[in-house]
Amino acid sequence: GDSVTQMEGPVTLSEEAFLTINCTYTATGYPSLFWYVQYPGEGLQLLLKATKADDKGSNKGFEATYRKETTSFHLEKGSVQVSDSAVYFCALSDQRNFGNEKLTFGTGTRLTIIP
Amino acid sequence: EAGVTQSPTHLIKTRGQQVTLRCSPISGHTSVYWYQQALGLGLQFLLWYDEGEERNRGNFPPRFSGRQFPNYSSELNVNALELEDSALYLCASSEDPFLYSNQPQHFGDGTRLSIL
Repeated sequence: GDSVTQMEGPVTLSEEAFLTINCTYTATGYPSLFWYVQYPGEGLQLLLKATKADDKGSNKGFEATYRKETTSFHLEKGSVQVSDSAVYFCALSDQRNFGNEKLTFGTGTRLTIIP
Repeated sequence: EAGVTQSPTHLIKTRGQQVTLRCSPISGHTSVYWYQQALGLGLQFLLWYDEGEERNRGNFPPRFSGRQFPNYSSELNVNALELEDSALYLCASSEDPFLYSNQPQHFGDGTRLSIL
């Protein structure tokens, strides 16, 4: 079945540091890939998405590229801020396989940015 | 545009009781999804409803059930509550996936259920 393997946390960085959170996936079909962010006490917010190989999703300075050859979707940001502190989830959805409309999530990576 | 709304925000129940959680999707969205976020278990898919019908179900026992109403809002019911049902229950909605491919799911803030 589908699965997502995500970099274990927690990750602690200084403000303005470069961020990478690794994500790899296993899927039988043609998945769409997502990054969601969860701030304390809140639900998940969609951060970015990519729906086919070589697509790059980007939002709020975060980027991730859909790499089919390495089955990866790593999240990057060039200069993190304290406000980026949250838990980040990588997820996939095999939306071309009707009847399988669900998100499969990684375990989440807790990110803490210190001033 | 109003987002996905869930009620109640918090709930405390005891073992053996029953609970109903509610979700209103984003206007125009026809699909509703339920997920459980339990400590140490991550986010697990529970149920998917579209156009009033259950379309897919995760690996949960039958005491987890739900329904979707004609206005696309949804309820999640859990019977015979057990301690391990303590979790954050998240609802998400999306546009009709049979009409629009690759649509993301948008989440509410969840209902935190505590079982004593």
